[in-house]
Amino acid sequence: AQKITQTQPGMFVQEKEAVTLDCTYDTSDQSYGLFWYKQPSSGEMIFLIYQGSYDEQNATEGRYSLNFQKARKSANLVISASQLGDSAMYFCAMEDYKLSFGAGTTVTVRA
Amino acid sequence: KAGVTQTPRYLIKTRGQQVTLSCSPISGHRSVSWYQQTPGQGLQFLFEYFSETQRNKGNFPGRFSGRQFSNSRSEMNVSTLELGDSALYLCASSLRLAGGPGTDTQYFGPGTRLTVL
Repeated sequence: AQKITQTQPGMFVQEKEAVTLDCTYDTSDQSYGLFWYKQPSSGEMIFLIYQGSYDEQNATEGRYSLNFQKARKSANLVISASQLGDSAMYFCAMEDYKLSFGAGTTVTVRA
Repeated sequence: KAGVTQTPRYLIKTRGQQVTLSCSPISGHRSVSWYQQTPGQGLQFLFEYFSETQRNKGNFPGRFSGRQFSNSRSEMNVSTLELGDSALYLCASSLRLAGGPGTDTQYFGPGTRLTVL
C-alpha cells in the first residue's frame, strides 16, 4: 500500500519569497509517480508538477520545482517568488492507477 | 482544449434519497476516476472507468456505483444517501496510456459539492 505524509498543516509566506512544502512517501513499488496538486478555495484540483521514480532530473514547471530525494523517499515542492494567488491547499499524491493523497498543506501568502 | 466538466456543481439532498453526478472528461481521455473529499477522511478514491469498464475500485460500500458511456462521459450514483455522504466529489480524467503505474497524469474537474440533510 502507498502512503503519503505531509506534516505541515499550514504555512505562511511573504509575497515574493520562496516556500518549501514537505512530502514523504512510502511504497514498495519500483516504478511510481509523484504529483503535486493545488486546490484553491473554489475546490478544483489543479495539477502542478510530476516526478517519475526513474527521472534523474528534478522536475520543474515555471515557479514550481520538485526536490526529489529517492533514497529518503521525499518529494518536496518548492514555490519560488510566491504570489497572492498561490494561497491555497497543496496536496502531494502518488499514482498507481489511482491517486493516493496526503493530508495537504494550507499555504497563505501575505502581502 | 476544454477541461473536465462536472454537473451539477452543487446539490442538496435528504437522507434516503439517491443522487447522480455527471462528469465529461477532456477530449481524447478514456479514463475517468472519481474521488470523495471530506474534512475528516481527506481525499479518497472511489473508482476508475476505462473504455466503459470499471478497472479499479476503492473501499466504499455498494451504494456507490458508476458507469461510463461510449463517449467516455461518466456518471456516479449514490443510493440511500447518508449524512456522511456530504462531500466534494471530484472527477478526474486521464489518457491512461500503456506506460505502467506512475506515468499517468489525472486532470480534475471543479467538483460537485453534495450536502445531505
